[in-house]
Amino acid sequence: QKEVEQDPGPLSVPEGAIVSLNCTYSNSAFQYFMWYRQYSRKGPELLMYTYSSGNKEDGRFTAQVDKSSKYISLFIRDSQPSDSATYLCAMCRPNDYKLSFGAGTTVTVRA
Amino acid sequence: NAGVTQTPKFQVLKTGQSMTLQCAQDMNHEYMSWYRQDPGMGLRLIHYSVGAGITDQGEVPNGYNVSRSTTEDFPLRLLSAAPSQTSVYFCASSPGGGDEKLFFGSGTQLSVL
Repeated sequence: QKEVEQDPGPLSVPEGAIVSLNCTYSNSAFQYFMWYRQYSRKGPELLMYTYSSGNKEDGRFTAQVDKSSKYISLFIRDSQPSDSATYLCAMCRPNDYKLSFGAGTTVTVRA
Repeated sequence: NAGVTQTPKFQVLKTGQSMTLQCAQDMNHEYMSWYRQDPGMGLRLIHYSVGAGITDQGEVPNGYNVSRSTTEDFPLRLLSAAPSQTSVYFCASSPGGGDEKLFFGSGTQLSVL
């Protein structure tokens, strides 16, 4: 079993819809949780960065971490065609820069 | 500010050939790493370095070699290319010191025939 499992998708939603992306993990030592966005033929770019449990909001993006359930989520409100990309969850232990990544979920937002 | 720069962007090799993928960062980051990305597998760590002169193996190190002679550069060497090394390779760096955010380069698409 992989250390990080991510809903495989792909997801196709109409413009303006809420996009919900999820990952589960098995290592209880993970404390830092990240979401990366990757456009086609580009490198991943950091979208959200959270520490331990709780919610973090940045514009249309909300990241949630539930450490008791070992479950993290990313919500995209009022989705736009420019949000069409692959979203990768990632996580690591404190002071350990070796991130464990999910396989990614490809999202298409239809105009 | 260029960030993390990778060269080349595309490369085709024949089985058994060797080559070096270049990576340079201008952010004075201590931590650098190499990942490969394959369909359905996500990003897998090949090698990493926590500072000049220090390197260590990641999840999938076989067939690859690295060195870190300066803070800025972290080249990845393929010793004898195999078709299983066909992948997209990403270099990444992080400030270190408790800041685990990774900044990625734009990738190298490698095909081994």
